[in-house]
Amino acid sequence: NAGVTQTPKFRVLKTGQSMTLLCAQDMNHEYMYWYRQDPGMGLRLIHYSVGEGTTAKGEVPDGYNVSRLKKQNFLLGLESAAPSQTSVYFCASRTTPQGVQPQHFGDGTRLSIL
Amino acid sequence: AQSVTQPDIHITVSEGASLELRCNYSYGATPYLFWYVQSPGQGLQLLLKYFSGDTLVQGIKGFEAEFKRSQSSFNLRKPSVHWSDAAEYFCAVGTNTGNQFYFGTGTSLTVIP
Repeated sequence: NAGVTQTPKFRVLKTGQSMTLLCAQDMNHEYMYWYRQDPGMGLRLIHYSVGEGTTAKGEVPDGYNVSRLKKQNFLLGLESAAPSQTSVYFCASRTTPQGVQPQHFGDGTRLSIL
Repeated sequence: AQSVTQPDIHITVSEGASLELRCNYSYGATPYLFWYVQSPGQGLQLLLKYFSGDTLVQGIKGFEAEFKRSQSSFNLRKPSVHWSDAAEYFCAVGTNTGNQFYFGTGTSLTVIP
């Protein structure tokens, strides 16, 4: 029973490179989220998805793209990485469309952009 | 707009002492409130949640929180802190009208032996 799994756990990129972060959940959750966590700023929502084939922008979407081709997977892409995107990225999922149910988090991906 | 404030960036307590972490929220309707804990290098783990009913909620690891509507607060408490409680704590609010959660900036807890 893995819950939410993020791949990779660590990555170092050079400015201008691209990469994709994968989030997979095995709980059949409808909603999935991508956050970034920076010191002193808590978690900020990048993009989220309310179901397969749908995505929406969060608080800080610029420089990122997402896709939800399968219900269990939510991909976060960086087309041209910038040093400002150095952060820890967390994926989360939850089960209902209403605010009552808590999110389940992955262990994070630590990304450094040189 | 919804927001969550955790006024204490860092708190240090002695092992065995009591703990209270503050959380204030801004939301026009009844909020859905959560406390999460994050150990170094880990994701966030749910400690407890408040939806409705009894304003004092119990969570895991001996934590409890009290919802006070008049003060727009949801403070986390523990009667006796253990060294293993050292971590980052996040308060969050979820709304029934939207799809998003709003997190505070976190409180880092250090426990002195």
